[in-house]
Amino acid sequence: DQQVKQNSPSLSVQEGRISILNCDYTNSMFDYFLWYKKYPAEGPTFLISISSIKDKNEDGRFTVFLNKSAKHLSLHIVPSQPGDSAVYFCAAVRLDSSYKLIFGSGTRLLVRP
Amino acid sequence: KAGVTQTPRYLIKTRGQQVTLSCSPISGHRSVSWYQQTPGQGLQFLFEYFSETQRNKGNFPGRFSGRQFSNSRSEMNVSTLELGDSALYLCASSPGTGRSTQYFGPGTRLTVL
Repeated sequence: DQQVKQNSPSLSVQEGRISILNCDYTNSMFDYFLWYKKYPAEGPTFLISISSIKDKNEDGRFTVFLNKSAKHLSLHIVPSQPGDSAVYFCAAVRLDSSYKLIFGSGTRLLVRP
Repeated sequence: KAGVTQTPRYLIKTRGQQVTLSCSPISGHRSVSWYQQTPGQGLQFLFEYFSETQRNKGNFPGRFSGRQFSNSRSEMNVSTLELGDSALYLCASSPGTGRSTQYFGPGTRLTVL
């Protein structure tokens, strides 16, 4: 049972434009959601999170939107930079399940110069 | 603050052997979680320790075990290694209370021959 899904395995965007990465979930009991960026052979780097009681959170070039009725979240990167090229994972947590992160399968973002 | 450290970074073992991986969390963090990343299964939760107690366990066989010491450092052990255990093993640390973010180490790349 895949509770967190990232249906786009890859995304290619021109430098300076907006990158939109999507994530869907099935469990309405998740308390908050996180986005991580990962380079090969390295650990994931935390980018931004959002509580289930919010619908938007912004941090610099990164904004996460949460649509609870659709069970959908998205990460917007504006403007996109070549250094943003990496694999992006969304993850969800239920606080009554300690700190078990449920990850999506990841989306590989390529930002073209 | 220093980040999460994991040792060793790379490891090669043969089937049937056992292995111990180590993780030192961020200073002050009391929760350590372990994840396995493989190309086929993605990032999967192994277990989480908080104040030397296992709080949650993922869906892995009993060959995978862990422990946490009083200084919050954690070790993960895999016995009777199988080829399918080849993976990147990631450790994540967090304060362990409330909506606290997990920060990942660089991982240990285990290859089983």
